[in-house]
Order: sequence, then structure tokens, then C-alpha cells
Amino acid sequence: QSVLTQPPSVSAAPGQKVTISCSGSSSNIGNNYVSWYQQLPGTAPKLLICENNKRPSGIPDRFSGSKSGTSATLGITGLQTGDEADYYCGTWDSSLSAGVFGGGTKLTVL
Amino acid sequence: EVQLVESGGGLVKPGGSLRLSCAASGFTFSNAWMSWVRQAPGKGLEWVGRFKSKTGGGTTDYAAPVKGRFTISRDDSKNTLYLQMNSLKTEDTAVYYCTTGSGSSFFFDYWGQGTLVTVSS
Repeated sequence: QSVLTQPPSVSAAPGQKVTISCSGSSSNIGNNYVSWYQQLPGTAPKLLICENNKRPSGIPDRFSGSKSGTSATLGITGLQTGDEADYYCGTWDSSLSAGVFGGGTKLTVL
Repeated sequence: EVQLVESGGGLVKPGGSLRLSCAASGFTFSNAWMSWVRQAPGKGLEWVGRFKSKTGGGTTDYAAPVKGRFTISRDDSKNTLYLQMNSLKTEDTAVYYCTTGSGSSFFFDYWGQGTLVTVSS
């Protein structure tokens, strides 16, 4: 059971928008930065969002991040078939003194 | 160009030991907070532990499942990170990734290709 809770799967049609939630607590999301990662099959994860809502260089503005209280959200607009992947949220947990990830969300672009 | 290249994975029996290495290049390794993240077959990401840079305190942190069994070390003169894994269990079977990124903000912008560790009798 992951410390951070994500939906196992989400789906949407090409061109549409999807959001992926990540729920935690005051010891992790509530008081620390959240990052988001995309993992395509058979590859290493790729950073999409850091520090709650910042996009690293090269990440298109179709990807966005937000945080409110003890939850965070990844938004993807203009869905493409190439966006089909597993998405993970991550943060530091101050009570555990350890890094934590969500269980991952599989995105299907129908 | 930043490169992280892991090596040392393989098949080991339960109770055995293994040492992974991560050769880094393309950035100032001594200033970097380095982490290991693993992924069991068909499962999600799991943070294993980290070694802060000298200026960041030079200390280590570990996830509960590996604390006391795994040790992370680094050789800044060789730009190399290590993961010594002892008392291995079948549940340690995973692809192990070497990562780096911001220290205090806890994000990872560079990842290695991963090395597979299989613990089985």
C-alpha cells in the first residue's frame, strides 16, 4: 500500500484533457514539494513536473501540475497516443524521513 | 550531457549480497544529491535511499524496508555511487535506478537505464 494514493487507471480520447490525482497527508504533500513522472513501457521514468507546478526544459505546456492542501493533480491537455504511459507522483515524507511515490496511474488514450 | 550508468545487477540467492555501481558524468557529481529508486516487476516506483552532497550534509537516508540491510556510499573522486545490498530477500527483486536531481526539493531529473537484481533460489 503506497503512502500516496493515485487512481490505478484513467482514460480519455485523443485531443481531450485528463487529470490524475495524488492524495497524501500533512507529513508529505501538505508540507513538501510534489513531482510527477512519466514512464513509457520498458524505459526509465522521465520528470514532467517539479516543485508542484514547474515544467523542466523540454516538457510541453500540455502538462501542468497543481497542489492544494494534501493533494496534488497532474493535468494533460491535447492528449496524444504517445502519452499512453504510467504516471507517478512523488514527494518527501517528513514523518518517515523517506521519499515516497504514488502507486502509479496507467493512462490509456482511446 | 548527463549520463548515469548502473552496473552490478544479476541473480543472487536469498540471504546473499550484491553491490551496484552508478558511474556519473556530465555534471558536478560532488555537488549532487544521489538516490536509488527501484521497481519490482510489474509494480510501481519505490524510493530506496539517498546520499546527500558534502555541502548538503553528506548524510544518508533509507526507506524502511531496506534500512539496516542496504548501504549507500559514494566516491566523489571517481564520480561513482554505490549500493551495497546485504541479506537480500526475494522481495528485493527489482530494476534499480540511479537518479539525481534537486536535493531539498526532492525531484529527479536524471535517471540511469537501470540494472536488474533478481533474488531467487
